[in-house]
Amino acid sequence: DTEVTQTPKHLVMGMTNKKSLKCEQHMGHRAMYWYKQKAKKPPELMFVYSYEKLSINESVPSRFSPECPNSSLLNLHLHALQPEDSALYLCASSPRGRTPLHFGNGTRLTVT
Amino acid sequence: AQKITQTQPGMFVQEKEAVTLDCTYDTSDQSYGLFWYKQPSSGEMIFLIYQGSYDEQNATEGRYSLNFQKARKSANLVISASQLGDSAMYFCAMREGINTGTASKLTFGTGTRLQVTL
Repeated sequence: DTEVTQTPKHLVMGMTNKKSLKCEQHMGHRAMYWYKQKAKKPPELMFVYSYEKLSINESVPSRFSPECPNSSLLNLHLHALQPEDSALYLCASSPRGRTPLHFGNGTRLTVT
Repeated sequence: AQKITQTQPGMFVQEKEAVTLDCTYDTSDQSYGLFWYKQPSSGEMIFLIYQGSYDEQNATEGRYSLNFQKARKSANLVISASQLGDSAMYFCAMREGINTGTASKLTFGTGTRLQVTL
């Protein structure tokens, strides 16, 4: 079982909907990440939070809004998405430095 | 420029044989980390093995070993005694600036799809 929990596993939303993806870890990691992965492509970094503060935003459109309410929780708020935003969204956490990222199982998002 | 290059889109290997998945990287940092992840069709990213830029010994984890050639900037994954369950996508990835005080991002290569056959 993964130590990073993502909910929901699957999400279908219309272009006018507002939804949120949730990610939780209880490993005491102070860095948390959102990645987007299109089919047959590698994961692409979206956001990095370090000590609950946004440290990296990879020029992600504002229809994606991250939030880190505490050290264990990471949210991704979605609004007015496009069909091309359909992808697997992966959350990860790590202690900083040379340690690996621990990934959740992802949320498969379909925008209709 | 590509930071991580995986030149093999797909590989086949027979069960119980060894296979090498290639990875080259590009960085000007002195301190960096190289990682291999496995992604089955279910989607989860499973960490396999790590090599630090200052590590003198090649990393090993069970059936996985990393052939690290720093001067050539390559970090190939070797899987020994392949099993049917090894069939998956394999990604090479790099973290730069790993000794800095901020969280560093993990950049992935394009991946190699490995198929283990009977």
